[in-house]
Amino acid sequence: TAGITQAPTSQILAAGRSMTLRCTQDMRHNAMYWYRQDLGLGLRLIHYSNTAGTTGKGEVPDGYSVSRANTDDFPLTLASAVPSQTSVYFCASSDSPNQPQHFGDGTRLSIL
Amino acid sequence: GNSVTQMEGPVTLSEEAFLTINCTYTATGYPSLFWYVQYPGEGLQLLLKATKADDKGSNKGFEATYRKETTSFHLEKGSVQVSDSAVYFCALSRPSNQGGKLIFGQGTELSVKP
Repeated sequence: TAGITQAPTSQILAAGRSMTLRCTQDMRHNAMYWYRQDLGLGLRLIHYSNTAGTTGKGEVPDGYSVSRANTDDFPLTLASAVPSQTSVYFCASSDSPNQPQHFGDGTRLSIL
Repeated sequence: GNSVTQMEGPVTLSEEAFLTINCTYTATGYPSLFWYVQYPGEGLQLLLKATKADDKGSNKGFEATYRKETTSFHLEKGSVQVSDSAVYFCALSRPSNQGGKLIFGQGTELSVKP
């Protein structure tokens, strides 16, 4: 089934360690996004990429970095994790920036 | 700026009850409006959308009408089922010349009891 694959499904990470969350889509969508979901706050955009080779900052980019080397992959890196980055992270993609987005199943990340 | 406000949950209903989840928005220009649904342990799925004023989006018995005069996009269903238990998110899409990205409400949890 076509869609978005995120890995890992869940992870417990010590504070100060680095971590890369993986996201791959097979729909050849141009735009990709990373959100974090926290109770009572809905989804907040971390970073986005409107097309391969470009990235941009969302609402809450601090402490995160992304790259978009090709159309399919959009990894999210936490260089030095802090407990406030404990969250559920969702990757999404869309054919173009203002079209409906397709979501992966999420990565549950706990920083201790 | 652009924002979305949803009614707070959780909303608890009995099976076959009528559902309304309120959503209002603030936006410059003419955004597209969406409802997404998130079932437990899963990502968000698009439920319905409307791209201009007075459009009605519908899917799986759910409906929402884009009301520009009241800046609202309320979600309704005439008869809910236990399987509709989920978290519902209202969202707007900024126009392409504003980056075109989605802005989500905080989500409303719906629990349907048999």
